Amino acid sequence: SQQGEEDPQALSIQEGENATMNCSYKTSINNLQWYRQNSGRGLVHLILIRSNEREKHSGRLRVTLDTSKKSSSLLITASRAADTASYFCASSYNTDKLIFGTGTRLQVFP
Amino acid sequence: SAVISQKPSRDICQRGTSLTIQCQVDSQVTMMFWYRQQPGQSLTLIATANQGSEATYESGFVIDKFPISRPNLTFSTLTVSNMSPEDSSIYLCSVVPGGYEQYFGPGTRLTVT
Repeated sequence: SQQGEEDPQALSIQEGENATMNCSYKTSINNLQWYRQNSGRGLVHLILIRSNEREKHSGRLRVTLDTSKKSSSLLITASRAADTASYFCASSYNTDKLIFGTGTRLQVFP
Repeated sequence: SAVISQKPSRDICQRGTSLTIQCQVDSQVTMMFWYRQQPGQSLTLIATANQGSEATYESGFVIDKFPISRPNLTFSTLTVSNMSPEDSSIYLCSVVPGGYEQYFGPGTRLTVT
């Protein structure tokens, strides 16, 4: 399968804690994007990181990219119950076609 | 970003029938993408739709099963033909309106009985 891997598959934390999700991909990429999906609905675009970037921030989100290890991580700081969702990474190679990771289900308890 | 709508939002269909899903974007885009998300799974690309040319299908997906139309730069349809319960999935369209960020529609949840 060309699909990327994500871990953990599921993560449960308390409100206020940080959540870290990891993504690995298989070949050299142009960019990597992170998405959130609530209860099987559409995907919400969170952040894009380019292959020449190592870290990017957006509000409570921090994304890192390590091209030598072909991996990325998404950190959500000070999590809230509303952050409960599935999170997917998606890598892009030489076109706009995306290859998605397996996803992480995040549960944040109030 | 882009505002993307899909119709229908959900449907329950009988096996052997076909369903056409519509995707409308609020701006002109060169390519539109169709993805499938099977229950509890991640997303898989079905095909890429360019205006004025035939869609390009990924391995495992064929035009007879998933015919796609792209009549203009803001609209596309995906038909799921001769449906079986295995086609029960969420179908999503997406676009890249500028730059590299890809945006998704709200999805069509299809249940085949």
